[in-house]
Amino acid sequence: DAGVIQSPRHEVTEMGQEVTLRCKPISGHNSLFWYRQTMMRGLELLIYFNNNVPIDDSGMPEDRFSAKMPNASFSTLKIQPSEPRDSAVYFCASSLTGYNEQFFGPGTRLTVL
Amino acid sequence: GESVGLHLPTLSVQEGDNSIINCAYSNSASDYFIWYKQESGKGPQFIIDIRSNMDKRQGQRVTVLLNKTVKHLSLQIAATQPGDSAVYFCAENRGGNTPLVFGKGTRLSVIA
Repeated sequence: DAGVIQSPRHEVTEMGQEVTLRCKPISGHNSLFWYRQTMMRGLELLIYFNNNVPIDDSGMPEDRFSAKMPNASFSTLKIQPSEPRDSAVYFCASSLTGYNEQFFGPGTRLTVL
Repeated sequence: GESVGLHLPTLSVQEGDNSIINCAYSNSASDYFIWYKQESGKGPQFIIDIRSNMDKRQGQRVTVLLNKTVKHLSLQIAATQPGDSAVYFCAENRGGNTPLVFGKGTRLSVIA
């Protein structure tokens, strides 16, 4: 089992650019989560999907952030336009159900200059 | 203005000693708990879990204790090794079909 796959692993971009982060959950998992981790705020849940449907996006910081899950094996988190304060490590996690153990990907380290 | 980072509790332990990492939770309806380990540059990884109908569960070198009376969870690591150095998170399921809620984390530093 390859685990949760995220790409890219590192992204450096300039303020104002669009950033797209990608995630492939573990096959058979029905729930997918996007987190942001910073020194200032720790690990924050941004949004989670159950059976490809967004269930709770209350953690999404503002309209510049959007997430999609077009099918059970792929999700994207998009930031447009990006700002320096978006610099963080973004994790994707998946689980069999919404309330069970979550398996985390390796994360994408985003730096916005 | 001056930026202030998230202040993580830090536990420093001599190699070979036992470590105890604590976590308090507030929701009496929480029925499932997990401890995660996050090493530098990696995502959190599952260590051990426990359900609310138990008060103790043991794994390899790790033990989780649950005290529902005082809403307290602890992770004990026996014979701590340098590879145990990481940030440890407790996570709880607050009942029903809700996702896990993660604590702020504790940094474990093992002194060789």
